[in-house]
Amino acid sequence: TQLLEQSPQFLSIQEGENLTVYCNSSSVFSSLQWYRQEPGEGPVLLVTVVTGGEVKKLKRLTFQFGDARKDSSLHITAAQPGDTGLYLCAGGSGNQFYFGTGTSLTVIP
Amino acid sequence: DAEITQSPRHKITETGRQVTLACHQTWNHNNMFWYRQDLGHGLRLIHYSYGVQDTNKGEVSDGYSVSRSNTEDLPLTLESAASSQTSVYFCASRKGVNTEAFFGQGTRLTVV
Repeated sequence: TQLLEQSPQFLSIQEGENLTVYCNSSSVFSSLQWYRQEPGEGPVLLVTVVTGGEVKKLKRLTFQFGDARKDSSLHITAAQPGDTGLYLCAGGSGNQFYFGTGTSLTVIP
Repeated sequence: DAEITQSPRHKITETGRQVTLACHQTWNHNNMFWYRQDLGHGLRLIHYSYGVQDTNKGEVSDGYSVSRSNTEDLPLTLESAASSQTSVYFCASRKGVNTEAFFGQGTRLTVV
């Protein structure tokens, strides 16, 4: 059972554009993490949010945890080719964490 | 520097054979996880362990087993490989709840 659904699954945009990736679930999570994965590598953590309504910023990336702790969003401002990769959300429940379906982002120069 | 390593990086095996994928971490983390990654499914949890002698089934555990005899290692065994188990496998470890998970570089397994 896939607990976390991400949308869109694929996204191709021009350099400089803004974008938002969504991570939705019917389950409540104690935390929500976002990872970025490049081809041939394992995922690398970008951010962890733990409080409902929490917003964290990492340079041009803004992460938000939903008030009910069931969903999250990742917003990228002025996308760069270096942002290209697979973005994965992961919901924490106790010591386990479950990954979303992933969003493959391509930023075209 | 602490790290987590998987071996082999690539493996081709025949249907019905037993296969073991290795995962070794030097973070001294109690929590270790095995995932498989397939297009359209993200990462799906196979098995996980919270410490030595502890193992638990994840959402796609059928056909797989793990053992934890020490803190550093969590080998994943495919008892009788099937073509449906062709995938990329990732091992991860982390210190505790809500902490960063560190991933190996993955093992690409092909079952023919």
